[in-house]
Amino acid sequence: SQQGEEDPQALSIQEGENATMNCSYKTSINNLQWYRQNSGRGLVHLILIRSNEREKHSGRLRVTLDTSKKSSSLLITASRAADTASYFCATDGMDSNYQLIWGAGTKLIIKP
Amino acid sequence: EAQVTQNPRYLITVTGKKLTVTCSQNMNHEYMSWYRQDPGLGLRQIYYSMNVEVTDKGDVPEGYKVSRKEKRNFPLILESPSPNQTSLYFCASISGGSYNEQFFGPGTRLTVL
Repeated sequence: SQQGEEDPQALSIQEGENATMNCSYKTSINNLQWYRQNSGRGLVHLILIRSNEREKHSGRLRVTLDTSKKSSSLLITASRAADTASYFCATDGMDSNYQLIWGAGTKLIIKP
Repeated sequence: EAQVTQNPRYLITVTGKKLTVTCSQNMNHEYMSWYRQDPGLGLRQIYYSMNVEVTDKGDVPEGYKVSRKEKRNFPLILESPSPNQTSLYFCASISGGSYNEQFFGPGTRLTVL
């Protein structure tokens, strides 16, 4: 089932600019993860943030989590053409048995 | 190298002709999953498996079967494919524990005529 909603659905920016994508979810979670998918390929794990964390960094990625608002954001700084992809958030609930619930994704286009 | 492999990568078939998409992982994960991805619908889980001989339905199991006879393999079976099963299919292997990272295969693009 899907509970995550990414916003915006599509985003087009110039190379070098920062890209911010948002994710909202509906139920309590253990973790929230972000994945990237290049066109037609398998998803690749980017970063995981636990429900008791508020912010996490990995290279040019910064993820925030606000459990009171049931939302997360993914910031990609100094974007590059290679960042062009779709980005998905996924949550696992308190009783999920490792099942992830996926958002519909944000399609990011970086213009050279 | 840790990986999930799927075969075939591309398949065009006709309605009613049984097919199997194989999935194999080399990470000794207990948990594996099958998804289909359709435009505008995101990833939808078809079936998952918690361990050998333990499988369960996901959100869209109709028309599919799975088996888990060995830990590394988790094939997806379409006994009688129909055009509405035309989709992009992904197998995933999950690390489990507190770090629930999913490792995806490269995908199988299936067209049912």
